[in-house]
Amino acid sequence: EPEVTQTPSHQVTQMGQEVILRCVPISNHLYFYWYRQILGQKVEFLVSFYNNEISEKSEIFDDQFSVERPDGSNFTLKIRSTKLEDSAMYFCASSAGRAVNSPLHFGNGTRLTVT
Amino acid sequence: EDQVTQSPEALRLQEGESSSLNCSYTVSGLRGLFWYRQDPGKGPEFLFTLYSAGEEKEKERLKATLTKKESFLHITAPKPEDSATYLCAVRDPHSGTYKYIFGTGTRLKVLA
Repeated sequence: EPEVTQTPSHQVTQMGQEVILRCVPISNHLYFYWYRQILGQKVEFLVSFYNNEISEKSEIFDDQFSVERPDGSNFTLKIRSTKLEDSAMYFCASSAGRAVNSPLHFGNGTRLTVT
Repeated sequence: EDQVTQSPEALRLQEGESSSLNCSYTVSGLRGLFWYRQDPGKGPEFLFTLYSAGEEKEKERLKATLTKKESFLHITAPKPEDSATYLCAVRDPHSGTYKYIFGTGTRLKVLA
C-alpha cells in the first residue's frame, strides 16, 4: 500500500539553526500538508500546499517557516531559525483531492528536538 | 468556536471487554469526521470517514457511528494489538483545504 515517507525520523538541532524536514507524499496525490504535535498536545495544522503554492497556513506558520516542492516527488518544510518551542513531532500528509472521500494520509513523522 | 472533544482520555480494557470511545464536536456545518489510530512514535493511520448523521462504518473489531453532535468508536472484543491512541478529527468548515481540527485522543490499553 502506498505510504507517505518522512526523513529523518529524528533531528536534533541547536537553537537558531536552520532545519529542513523532508517528505515524499503518495505519488498520485495532489495536496500536501504539514502538521505538528507537541508532546502531550493535539495534532495541529501548519500549512497546506497545492499546485506549487501555499493554499492555507495557520498562525503558527510564521516567517520562520517555509515549504517547497523542489521536484516531482519531495515536499520539504524549512524552519529558518529554530526556537526551543519548535520541538515537536512534525507530520507530513497528503491527499488525492479536497473531497470528503479523499482523507489525509500521514507519514510517521520527524521528531525535532531543539536544544 | 469549532472544537473536538474526546472522552475518556484513557481507557484500560481486558481482552474481550467491549467498549466505546466518544468524540463530541461543535462545528458550523460538518464536512466530514475522521477517525485515526496512532501508535507511539508513529503518524496517524486513517481508519474511517463519516459524512452524515446515521452513517456507520466497520473494520474488523471497530465500528464508527455518527450523530449530529458526536461520534462513537465501538470496539468489540478488543485484543492487545488494538492498544493505541485513537484520534478524532473534523474538517475545519472555514477551510478550503484539508485543515483538520483534532481532538486530544483516547489512549486505549488492552490487557491480555
